[in-house]
Amino acid sequence: NAGVTQTPKFQVLKTGQSMTLQCAQDMNHNSMYWYRQDPGMGLRLIYYSASEGTTDKGEVPNGYNVSRLNKREFSLRLESAAPSQTSVYFCASSEVGGLAIGEQFFGPGTRLTVL
Amino acid sequence: QQQVKQSPQSLIVQKGGISIINCAYENTAFDYFPWYQQFPGKGPALLIAIRPDVSEKKEGRFTISFNKSAKQFSLHIMDSQPGDSATYFCAATFGRFNKFYFGSGTKLNVKP
Repeated sequence: NAGVTQTPKFQVLKTGQSMTLQCAQDMNHNSMYWYRQDPGMGLRLIYYSASEGTTDKGEVPNGYNVSRLNKREFSLRLESAAPSQTSVYFCASSEVGGLAIGEQFFGPGTRLTVL
Repeated sequence: QQQVKQSPQSLIVQKGGISIINCAYENTAFDYFPWYQQFPGKGPALLIAIRPDVSEKKEGRFTISFNKSAKQFSLHIMDSQPGDSATYFCAATFGRFNKFYFGSGTKLNVKP
């Protein structure tokens, strides 16, 4: 089991360029999440998908879009990158059902720099 | 406004000592409080978690203490080892969809 995989690992963009961060999980989890991690800010939720076919905004959704392509894959798109989006991006997945709260499993991250 | 406040930002402890990291929250709807451990270049991984119906949970050298009335919880690492050097995040959530609210993180350095 690969768990949660993310591509690319590193990316440098110029202001105004667009790109898509890819995430896939092989644990058959229903829920998937995108976070950004910035020094002194912890992890902040950008978007999440509670189940296939649904997506919802998190704390910091501005400047991002997401697609839940199928149960395995959840992508994050930056339409017009800005220097403020320089960050490390983490994808996570969890199994949520009934009264249980599932552990979130994180991918290795994508380090994005916007010049 | 950060929903979960974490301190200290960084911590240096001698090998064998006790590391203590504190978190505070305001939202009384939170009902699950995990701690995550992150090594450089890796994603966070669940370390230990607690629900508010108990005041303490221990797993090996790691203990969560929970004070519901004060809306505070803390992570204690007993007999700290250099291999514990990492960044630790507290978090809180409620409801069905696992929307975690993370603290700002504590970088722990355990000196040999």
